[in-house]
Amino acid sequence: GAGVSQSPSNKVTEKGKDVELRCDPISGHTALYWYRQSLGQGLEFLIYFQGNSAPDKSGLPSDRFSAERTGGSVSTLTIQRTQQEDSAVYLCASSWGERDTQYFGPGTRLTVL
Amino acid sequence: AQSVTQPDIHITVSEGASLELRCNYSYGATPYLFWYVQSPGQGLQLLLKYFSGDTLVQGIKGFEAEFKRSQSSFNLRKPSVHWSDAAEYFCAVVPLLDNKFYFGSGTKLNVKP
Repeated sequence: GAGVSQSPSNKVTEKGKDVELRCDPISGHTALYWYRQSLGQGLEFLIYFQGNSAPDKSGLPSDRFSAERTGGSVSTLTIQRTQQEDSAVYLCASSWGERDTQYFGPGTRLTVL
Repeated sequence: AQSVTQPDIHITVSEGASLELRCNYSYGATPYLFWYVQSPGQGLQLLLKYFSGDTLVQGIKGFEAEFKRSQSSFNLRKPSVHWSDAAEYFCAVVPLLDNKFYFGSGTKLNVKP
């Protein structure tokens, strides 16, 4: 079956612009995670959705970052007023449930000029 | 502070040699433990995981890992490395009372012919 997909694969934007990154999880997976991977760094947790529960937003670095998940499926990560330090690869992962194996998408490489 | 530590940033081994990648964590009670691999230009792929039971777990591509409670470690091993194993390897931990994955900073493996 299809894996986790993310779009766009690459995004170049100017400082101050808003961007939206999309994640399509594996069908049936109830948990969805967003991570940020900066050059040479590990994965930084951003936000976690589980079913209909309120998302865990504890990893969002600032109020410029937000995410939503519609219908328990597709998720969009929005970064407002982008800054150069937002440049990174943004990874999405989904799993059948909490604490279960995560399946990762290929990521979106964001470059803020 | 709670953490996941991969002390080796870069490792170079010769093809056919054995490999051990270290991972230590500090999360108290035995967490769930994972190893993921990220090949160049690829998404993260699960190699193996430990939840409970036998402390030596087998994974894909000939990898294995051993959980040692007394050392809070979950080291990844392979008896004979292939050139295609060159990639970045991430250890991840899900603490007992948490649903978030905490990733180490990764170990880049280079394989010499």
